[in-house]
Amino acid sequence: AQLKQSVPEVRKPGASVTVSCKTSGYPFGQYAITWVRRAPGQGLEWMAWISTHTAKTDYSDKFQGRVTVTTDTSINTVYMDLWSLTSADTATYYCARLPPDKFDSGRGDFLYFFYMDVWGEGTTVTV
Amino acid sequence: QPVLTQPPSVSGAPGQRVIIYCTGNNSNIGANFGVHWYQQLPGSAPKLLIFGDINRPSGVPDRFSASKSGPSVSLAITGLQADDEADYFCQTYDKNLRAPVFGGGTKVTVL
Repeated sequence: AQLKQSVPEVRKPGASVTVSCKTSGYPFGQYAITWVRRAPGQGLEWMAWISTHTAKTDYSDKFQGRVTVTTDTSINTVYMDLWSLTSADTATYYCARLPPDKFDSGRGDFLYFFYMDVWGEGTTVTV
Repeated sequence: QPVLTQPPSVSGAPGQRVIIYCTGNNSNIGANFGVHWYQQLPGSAPKLLIFGDINRPSGVPDRFSASKSGPSVSLAITGLQADDEADYFCQTYDKNLRAPVFGGGTKVTVL
């Protein structure tokens, strides 16, 4: 399994950025994708996750209204859009895979474990 | 501030054992969602080291082990090696925040 992320980006304050995460080597629709960032001198910070089976999303309260995660199932790729950038958004952004626990037929979706078993290489965004 | 508390740094000589503690509360570690550990080498992406409190993914040496006692967990590295120098993060799910949460990270230095 591999997660290949897009190239580094430089943006001015107030702009937006899109980071992509192209997956390969496993069944795309069975694993969720989550986004985590690490700012210089800081720790890991969870941002959002998306079910690649249903496109259902959940966002951290901190980023709600400023981030959107989407999928393109035709090319097994997940996108993270972040807008209204400030210098505090300068960080390396990682996509990571969440393994499935089981399929919930009532929800029509997988239940996922919340550990990240495969990570992308990271995309540096400088604001 | 990170939800889970880790010491900023620990150090040890080659061959020694170091332990990293991670403390939370009853809405995260004590809620039994499973605690996971990641190793982040300088300039690299994080790597899963331990999942579900004590389980090692295939390929992770048994020098790395973890344990849990109530709202506190720990990661032990035995037979410390130079290439163990990295940042280590604990992580779980918080039922009150309804979000995955991380510790602030611990930098391991091999003397």
